[in-house]
Amino acid sequence: EDKVVQSPLSLVVHEGDTVTLNCSYEVTNFRSLLWYKQEKKAPTFLFMLTSSGIEKKSGRLSSILDKKELFSILNITATQTGDSAVYLCAVGNTNAGKSTFGDGTTLTVKP
Amino acid sequence: NAGVTQTPKFQVLKTGQSMTLQCAQDMNHEYMSWYRQDPGMGLRLIHYSVGAGITDQGEVPNGYNVSRSTTEDFPLRLLSAAPSQTSVYFCASSYSRRTSGRINEQFFGPGTRLTVL
Repeated sequence: EDKVVQSPLSLVVHEGDTVTLNCSYEVTNFRSLLWYKQEKKAPTFLFMLTSSGIEKKSGRLSSILDKKELFSILNITATQTGDSAVYLCAVGNTNAGKSTFGDGTTLTVKP
Repeated sequence: NAGVTQTPKFQVLKTGQSMTLQCAQDMNHEYMSWYRQDPGMGLRLIHYSVGAGITDQGEVPNGYNVSRSTTEDFPLRLLSAAPSQTSVYFCASSYSRRTSGRINEQFFGPGTRLTVL
């Protein structure tokens, strides 16, 4: 059975701190790993990674994938209160068009 | 484009009632999925479809049926509602890249909050 585990489950930081969110997975026929942000509504897409060692960057957010060790990290630097959300990791497997999600990390950024 | 739309936004059912959650997308996406999200948890896949006429079960399919007669629509039917089906339901769609088999980003609808009494 496919499995995606995120850690920590929740995190409270202050504005300006740097955070690292973790995602490990066990998936048959790995195709891609995706990060989403969810702010009390539908998830919105952040990154997709398919190749090991590839770092994606978008402003203060960056993500790395390690296909050998089967994990990914999402870094957020200089956090802001607007970064408060649930961050979801999902792994796509096979050609079946389905994804397996982790339980998410709830990030709270205090002013 | 409207993206992915879901109706209704809220619904209260009594145990044993049936209903259909509607989902439509106007992006010509082949892949569509239904998820449920319980408090403090991630998204669990109920059913998914890789194209019109093709559906398959996800992690938690019991108590739900789907059909995909057109590319645009992917309704989810609750056959006989139970309190354990109280949840937020999200429909999502994505395009495919058949040559790579890669699962691309999913676009989510706004969700339906369902309460079963």
